[in-house]
Amino acid sequence: AQSVTQPDIHITVSEGASLELRCNYSYGATPYLFWYVQSPGQGLQLLLKYFSGDTLVQGIKGFEAEFKRSQSSFNLRKPSVHWSDAAEYFCAVGDNTNAGKSTFGDGTTLTVKP
Amino acid sequence: EAGVAQSPRYKIIEKRQSVAFWCNPISGHATLYWYQQILGQGPKLLIQFQNNGVVDDSQLPKDRFSAERLKGVDSTLKIQPAKLEDSAVYLCASSLDPTSSYEQYFGPGTRLTVT
Repeated sequence: AQSVTQPDIHITVSEGASLELRCNYSYGATPYLFWYVQSPGQGLQLLLKYFSGDTLVQGIKGFEAEFKRSQSSFNLRKPSVHWSDAAEYFCAVGDNTNAGKSTFGDGTTLTVKP
Repeated sequence: EAGVAQSPRYKIIEKRQSVAFWCNPISGHATLYWYQQILGQGPKLLIQFQNNGVVDDSQLPKDRFSAERLKGVDSTLKIQPAKLEDSAVYLCASSLDPTSSYEQYFGPGTRLTVT
């Protein structure tokens, strides 16, 4: 069965600092990987996705993620964090044998200090 | 384009009562998902529809939860009777083509509190 681990429950960074959110997955085949962001009271919004090809994926809002098969990781990065990035971030792995079924991690809450 | 609509946004009920949630997906999206998100956890898939057929309901507690998607558009999720542990946010999502992009668009959710 597929699973996702987000080791950091809560991360605090200063505005303008760089950010890296960790994600480790378990899946028996080539994974489909996603990062979503959820602001308070809002639904989830897709930041970026990896299906195949280039292992460095660019997303919206200046985010990027790198797929590392050897480490079973898909870490999310941003070079300079803005106060509006404060939110909860979810990593998910898609099941390519059951169209669209995704398993989510438990999320990382990002706090941005002024 | 309009996003995924859900109603109500908030609901408070007592245990053993019944409750229903409604979802209207993005127009033209064939696939619809219902997720349960308990506080402090990631969303967990309850049921997935392709048009009006069920693709996956392996994690739906069928003794108390039911869902339908008549005519392949709107969907309702019902809980009867509710338990305290059903307190969560219920998210609806839709996608255009589950085999090509897997990109799901989420609604704002319904926050259920069972007292």
